[in-house]
Amino acid sequence: QVHLVQSGAEMKKPGASVRVSCKASGYTFTDFYFHWVRQAPGQGLEWMGWINPKSGVTNYAQKFQGWVNMTRDTSISTAYLELRRLRSDDTAVYFCARGGTTSWSHVDYWGQGTLVTVSS
Amino acid sequence: DIQMTQSPSSLSASVGDRVTITCRASQTIGTYLHWYQQKPGKAPKVLVYTASSLQSGVPSRFSASGSGTDFTLTITTLQPEDFATYFCQQTYSTPLTFGGGTKVEIK
Repeated sequence: QVHLVQSGAEMKKPGASVRVSCKASGYTFTDFYFHWVRQAPGQGLEWMGWINPKSGVTNYAQKFQGWVNMTRDTSISTAYLELRRLRSDDTAVYFCARGGTTSWSHVDYWGQGTLVTVSS
Repeated sequence: DIQMTQSPSSLSASVGDRVTITCRASQTIGTYLHWYQQKPGKAPKVLVYTASSLQSGVPSRFSASGSGTDFTLTITTLQPEDFATYFCQQTYSTPLTFGGGTKVEIK
């Protein structure tokens, strides 16, 4: 059974960095793309990018290029999202999600979400 | 970027009603269109992938169709557990984009 378990809520000050983890289980980690999606309070879903866990190749939405870093550790089936230079409008729930075997497949499993609050 | 426009943004309906939600892409996306359901405080859940394929375990009262730029999601007989927000998403090209969502509320 596929499970994605994310790290706990974070509270950060503006300008700080945060790293969110997502541990996968129940399938071969390197076989499926990983996506990160965020949702600001009361807002819709915003796709941030994907990582190919096998190769480590990433594809970020242009909005996030330069201050987001997606990585993975295949030895522990865990994906990471690092956000740098946080601003108050980065306050959101961040979801990891398993895509398909291709980058254009839909997401079929989601983590529970990690609330990142940015406030002075 | 491909813009995804959902309508309506919200609707009120009663149990047993038929509900249709539409999603329009700003350019053709073939059938690279997926539908998700999200309940408050929860992660989204996929309902339909590639425009019309029902995800395993999703009730048959959900159906979807479309290709190119115009897509629809239909719930034939609304159940109490269907009150939620629905999002479409295109995966034709990056950035992968979501529609703004349709909130289905109880009348």
